[in-house]
Amino acid sequence: NAGVTQTPKFQVLKTGQSMTLQCAQDMNHEYMSWYRQDPGMGLRLIHYSVGAGITDQGEVPNGYNVSRSTTEDFPLRLLSAAPSQTSVYFCASKALATTYNEQFFGPGTRLTVL
Amino acid sequence: KQEVTQIPAALSVPEGENLVLNCSFTDSAIYNLQWFRQDPGKGLTSLLLIQSSQREQTSGRLNASLDKSSGRSTLYIAASQPGDSATYLCAVSNSGYALNFGKGTSLLVTP
Repeated sequence: NAGVTQTPKFQVLKTGQSMTLQCAQDMNHEYMSWYRQDPGMGLRLIHYSVGAGITDQGEVPNGYNVSRSTTEDFPLRLLSAAPSQTSVYFCASKALATTYNEQFFGPGTRLTVL
Repeated sequence: KQEVTQIPAALSVPEGENLVLNCSFTDSAIYNLQWFRQDPGKGLTSLLLIQSSQREQTSGRLNASLDKSSGRSTLYIAASQPGDSATYLCAVSNSGYALNFGKGTSLLVTP
């Protein structure tokens, strides 16, 4: 299994540009989520999904959109990038129908907005 | 809102020492607690997960304990090695879904 994969690894955007960060998992996990990691702030939840067609907001959702059309994929869209969105973005997944609720993280996407 | 604090923020120890990393949380009604390791520029690697009904979990040289009533968890690393150098993150879940992270402890093990 590849686990949780993210593309791209690095990205530089100009203010106002849009882009999509890709996340995929091959573990058939129902739950997927996006976090951002900023120096001195720790990781914060952006959006999450408990299954195809179901998404909800986390702690810091403004400026980001998500959709979940398949179990495997959970893309994160930046509609109009701002310098405040410069961060490292991590995607995570876990199974719901189990008592062992370990979450697995992808390698991250390092985004710089100029 | 669940607040997670990790102490110390940074730690430097000589190789071979046993060490303890601390994690505290403000809301004791947790579902589980997970410890992660993060190497510079890399993603998060899960080390141990403790369910709310458990008191400790062990994996190799790592032992994590949980005291829900006092809102504390510790990660014990035995016989530390230079390869253990990394940032260790504590994350608490109140729902079984979202994780609330501490800011991490940066560990340096010197040869």
